[in-house]
Amino acid sequence: GQQVMQIPQYQHVQEGEDFTTYCNSSTTLSNIQWYKQRPGGHPVFLIQLVKSGEVKKQKRLTFQFGEAKKNSSLHITATQTTDVGTYFCAYAQGGSEKLVFGKGTKLTVNP
Amino acid sequence: NAGVMQNPRHLVRRRGQEARLRCSPMKGHSHVYWYRQLPEEGLKFMVYLQKENIIDESGMPKERFSAEFPKEGPSILRIQQVVRGDSAAYFCASSQTTYEQYFGPGTRLTVT
Repeated sequence: GQQVMQIPQYQHVQEGEDFTTYCNSSTTLSNIQWYKQRPGGHPVFLIQLVKSGEVKKQKRLTFQFGEAKKNSSLHITATQTTDVGTYFCAYAQGGSEKLVFGKGTKLTVNP
Repeated sequence: NAGVMQNPRHLVRRRGQEARLRCSPMKGHSHVYWYRQLPEEGLKFMVYLQKENIIDESGMPKERFSAEFPKEGPSILRIQQVVRGDSAAYFCASSQTTYEQYFGPGTRLTVT
């Protein structure tokens, strides 16, 4: 199946700075999901995007799905220490809807 | 409403032993997925089950690994004759439909 590439792999920011992670596919995706995993924790669903050009916001988080449905981004405005963790994009593949995950972007926030 | 439950949370096995990982899905959820996560890696799909049926096992290694989701009781992921390369975090997820998946806390398996 298709792979999704995430960049950057690591991101260190000062508290209050913005953060963006990108998810790219070589082929068109039917959907994209974003998950957050805190250190030592488990993935927690954040959102799903399905429409071309879709933009969704959750407080300081903004999610976008590209017009060609081949890329997506997660932007966090004014990061806080509670934003620390690894952010994964994933898509549900095939009839079983199994999730194919990117390798994630690990965010650290310096207070 | 209890979330997805997994036990044990940590499991240590010597090479050659068997590991049994259990997952109880959220109440009302009939779809169970197992994923494996190596350190600093994303999650890799292993198997998708519904009650008494394996729907998709395309991510399962051909040997030593098996999974079941019986009519009664939790889903079980079984690893026979464990090797060091099996050390990883194993996550179970459940869903009611095929949309949002809810993940359990995971079982961290260490093979010594």
